[in-house]
Amino acid sequence: RKEVEQDPGPFNVPEGATVAFNCTYSNSASQSFFWYRQDCRKEPKLLMSVYSSGNEDGRFTAQLNRASQYISLLIRDSKLSDSATYLCVVPRGSTLGRLYFGRGTQLTVWP
Amino acid sequence: EAGVTQFPSHSVIEKGQTVTLRCDPISGHDNLYWYRRVMGKEIKFLLHFVKESKQDESGMPNNRFLAERTGGTYSTLKVQPAELEDSGVYFCASSHPGTSGAYEQYFGPGTRLTVT
Repeated sequence: RKEVEQDPGPFNVPEGATVAFNCTYSNSASQSFFWYRQDCRKEPKLLMSVYSSGNEDGRFTAQLNRASQYISLLIRDSKLSDSATYLCVVPRGSTLGRLYFGRGTQLTVWP
Repeated sequence: EAGVTQFPSHSVIEKGQTVTLRCDPISGHDNLYWYRRVMGKEIKFLLHFVKESKQDESGMPNNRFLAERTGGTYSTLKVQPAELEDSGVYFCASSHPGTSGAYEQYFGPGTRLTVT
């Protein structure tokens, strides 16, 4: 079983829509979780960190369900500039070190 | 502050040749990581340096891959001899040691390697 599994996507939504991505992880010892954003042919960049039950930053909300080993990312009022690939990322256990990436979910926001 | 830089941005080589990728981490970042994304797959960890020491090299695919970080500054990743399946994008990342934000790894733009 993969360490991190994501919605396959792609998601194509109009501007202003609300869209949610899901992610499951296999290591129950994981303490922190991340959503990275990757634009086409660019490097991944940290979007949000989740250390407890959830985190909110403007239009973006990340939620964590430890019992189900499930993480979600909600984007409200989608903008054209939100078009990118969103990567669910889980560090190895509780130690600083390797990151496990999901395959990513591609989002296209159309006008 | 300069970000993580990688050189070259693209490399096209023939099977059997040697290629060396370079990564310059953010100044002061002791932790340096190499990752790789093969087409159609997720980004996968290769190895982790803390200063000049290899902390975790369990992700290295085989002994054709050699990573070094002499002096604890920049790092190189050499592939010798290259095989077709080595094609992909090689990312380097660095992070700051021992702070609350220590998990944030800052990624470089990647080196796109094509082996023909």
